[in-house]
Amino acid sequence: NAGVTQTPKFRILKIGQSMTLQCTQDMNHNYMYWYRQDPGMGLKLIYYSVGAGITDKGEVPNGYNVSRSTTEDFPLRLELAAPSQTSVYFCASSYSWGETQYFGPGTRLLVL
Amino acid sequence: AQRVTQPEKLLSVFKGAPVELKCNYSYSGSPELFWYVQYSRQRLQLLLRHISRESIKGFTADLNKGETSFHLKKPFAQEEDSAMYYCALRAGGTSYGKLTFGQGTILTVHP
Repeated sequence: NAGVTQTPKFRILKIGQSMTLQCTQDMNHNYMYWYRQDPGMGLKLIYYSVGAGITDKGEVPNGYNVSRSTTEDFPLRLELAAPSQTSVYFCASSYSWGETQYFGPGTRLLVL
Repeated sequence: AQRVTQPEKLLSVFKGAPVELKCNYSYSGSPELFWYVQYSRQRLQLLLRHISRESIKGFTADLNKGETSFHLKKPFAQEEDSAMYYCALRAGGTSYGKLTFGQGTILTVHP
């Protein structure tokens, strides 16, 4: 099992550009999450999904969109990149609400 | 809304010394508390959870509801314990499943 994988590892964007952060898990987990990690701020939940076709907002959803067409994939879309979106993004998954969340290696994004 | 506070951004100890990483929370209900760890160039992973009441890699943490704390302790720190540590809370009710993280503490264990 690869667990949770994320691509790319690092990306530089210009203001106003768009991109998609990819997240895939091979553990057949129903629940998937996107967090952002800002220095000194801990991790904050952006969006989450409880299964294919079902997504919901987390604490800081503005500027992002998600989709969940399959159990395995949970991509995060940035439509108009802003410097405030410079962060490290982590994808995670769990079998259910009450189970341990497994994290991906992270994507470091720099918006200039 | 729930909140998790880790008052120390940085913590340095020498090998063999006791270490305590502080975590305080605010939540009106019965929370579930976790410690996650991120070693250098590795992904975030679960270290322990309070309901398990187990010791992992020599670390223990006790939930103190009176003081609303969940401090992480180890009697004899090792160099390999150097990492970023996050305390996290999972609330009940409509927020069930979502984790609220503290700001994190970077632990450095010197030889």
